[in-house]
Amino acid sequence: NAGVMQNPRHLVRRRGQEARLRCSPMKGHSHVYWYRQLPEEGLKFMVYLQKENIIDESGMPKERFSAEFPKEGPSILRIQQVVRGDSAAYFCASSPRQGEQTQYFGPGTRLLVL
Amino acid sequence: DQQVKQNSPSLSVQEGRISILNCDYTNSMFDYFLWYKKYPAEGPTFLISISSIKDKNEDGRFTVFLNKSAKHLSLHIVPSQPGDSAVYFCAASLNTGNQFYFGTGTSLTVIP
Repeated sequence: NAGVMQNPRHLVRRRGQEARLRCSPMKGHSHVYWYRQLPEEGLKFMVYLQKENIIDESGMPKERFSAEFPKEGPSILRIQQVVRGDSAAYFCASSPRQGEQTQYFGPGTRLLVL
Repeated sequence: DQQVKQNSPSLSVQEGRISILNCDYTNSMFDYFLWYKKYPAEGPTFLISISSIKDKNEDGRFTVFLNKSAKHLSLHIVPSQPGDSAVYFCAASLNTGNQFYFGTGTSLTVIP
């Protein structure tokens, strides 16, 4: 039973480019969460999605960031016009149902903006 | 606004001894707490959790203690092993919420 998959594991972008991060939840999980870890900090919640629905995006920056979890395929976190401050590790987690007390994390995507 | 705090960025312990990792929180509405373990270049791995209705939960070498009045929890690892060397994150959640609130982590080194 494969765990949470994220790709790419490492992504380098120049300022102004777009970054697309993908997350495939564990088999049987339909709830996806995105977190960001800045250097020397803990993980910070960004957004919670179910299939085709954004449930809670209270942690998402108001501009340039968007997320989706389509009916088919992985969840995607999209960052437009990246800036150096977007450099961080982005982790995806999944759970089988809402209210599930444990979230299972993927290996993360390390984004570096030059 | 850091609602979950881990004030010790690092800890070194001799193999076989007890490791005690501490975590404090400010939001009295948190009702579930977790510890995650993280190796470099990997995602956090769930370790152990505790509900706010309990004050202790044990799983093998790992025990989590919760002191609600002090808004403090701790993770005890006994005996510590070199493979336990990792960064440990404390996390908390609200019954009505969907997100986890993470501390900044404590890097544990177990010396052989």
